[in-house]
Amino acid sequence: EVQVLESGGGLVQPGGSLRLSCAASGFRFSNFAMSWVRQAPGKGLELVSGIHDDGLGTYYADSVKGRFTISRDNSKDTLFLQMNSLRAEDTAVYYCVKQDGDPYYNYCMDVWGKGTTVTVSS
Amino acid sequence: QSVLTQPPSVSGAPGQRVTISCTGNSSNIGAGYDVHWYQQSPGTAPKLLIYGNNNRPSGVPDRFSGSKSGTSASLAISDLQADNEADYYCQSFDRNLHHWVFGGGTKVTVL
Repeated sequence: EVQVLESGGGLVQPGGSLRLSCAASGFRFSNFAMSWVRQAPGKGLELVSGIHDDGLGTYYADSVKGRFTISRDNSKDTLFLQMNSLRAEDTAVYYCVKQDGDPYYNYCMDVWGKGTTVTVSS
Repeated sequence: QSVLTQPPSVSGAPGQRVTISCTGNSSNIGAGYDVHWYQQSPGTAPKLLIYGNNNRPSGVPDRFSGSKSGTSASLAISDLQADNEADYYCQSFDRNLHHWVFGGGTKVTVL
């Protein structure tokens, strides 16, 4: 079964850090771009960050640029999101997402994890 | 303010047909990029519903259909059922932003 499973969420104080992980299974992880999408309480979906299949290309939403770093370990089928200088507005459920399609600009998000909750509060 | 504009809510009686619009501009939908749709039932993660404008993943009923024209796209749900109550999001690519963007979401209510 194709699936992704997030971990690493929790409660953190403003200015703190968290590292999210996403374990992939059931597909050739190294062949697919991956992304993190978040959803603040009662709000819509926001693409936070993404990474190409080879890890050489990344992108970030303006709201997290300079604070978050996405990476992947293709030998361990795992995606990461290092989140530093966290703010209250980063509070959200963070979803790990597998992307598919061709070419890259027509990617859809075909596999979603259940999400991990990040709460930034003092 | 989302790059892609959706109505906040639509509603219909069981058995009726409802449509959800997704309006963009010349830098995203109007530039020819594919539109995808996601369904998010209460308390669950989003699920891919339509990809490539009008294609259904395996397991999605044919009551769901997508279309695209000009700078807009639409999702239609025919024979509306109670378990179709959910939030629906469109997604495409924006060449000015150089990444993928979502609509603000539409809540479908079955009366």
